Amino acid sequence: DADVTQTPRNRITKTGKRIMLECSQTKGHDRMYWYRQDPGLGLRLIYYSFDVKDINKGEISDGYSVSRQAQAKFSLSLESAIPNQTALYFCATSDTGRETQYFGPGTRLLVL
Amino acid sequence: GENVEQHPSTLSVQEGDSAVIKCTYSDSASNYFPWYKQELGKRPQLIIDIRSNVGEKKDQRIAVTLNKTAKHFSLHITETQPEDSAVYFCAASSLYSSASKIIFGSGTRLSIRP
Repeated sequence: DADVTQTPRNRITKTGKRIMLECSQTKGHDRMYWYRQDPGLGLRLIYYSFDVKDINKGEISDGYSVSRQAQAKFSLSLESAIPNQTALYFCATSDTGRETQYFGPGTRLLVL
Repeated sequence: GENVEQHPSTLSVQEGDSAVIKCTYSDSASNYFPWYKQELGKRPQLIIDIRSNVGEKKDQRIAVTLNKTAKHFSLHITETQPEDSAVYFCAASSLYSSASKIIFGSGTRLSIRP
């Protein structure tokens, strides 16, 4: 689904570094989400935004921050990366009133 | 807090047999229950969903059942084929809530044996 894109697709960084993961969508959806996927733990919600002025914490927001720069863009930042933030990160979008989530291709992050 | 439990974590079935994955949820306000399929190396994609005003929904070889009283719902795949091999996630959310967000289960890795 090319309507939701993520950059970078893979990233290796060192402990203590600041990194940003970016998500863009052309679906025109108001709602955007950041999830983290770890083996055996499913998809856990980090942050979500229902419109440009709305930011909400998910179940595992500690150590992360987000920015909704525009309706189409939602960025996730790790201010000081640590090894247990090594994971696969997915951005997703949904339309207000419709709960189907459309996922981006994912960003695989390795923190050394 | 809200929680969705999913079982089993891994499932292996013979091609042509049926597979069943079960989930339970804790939030009684939940009224929307989607299932996502994630093939190896790919993104999750919605395969079927059900709302709380129905007890069962079918789409070809896939069906989902919901028991609101017991707070559990299940995915049934009949006549399994190799392309059904994937990780399946259940989820629950409450539609029409201004704070609605989806809570996912931990996933089931389904393998189809030839």
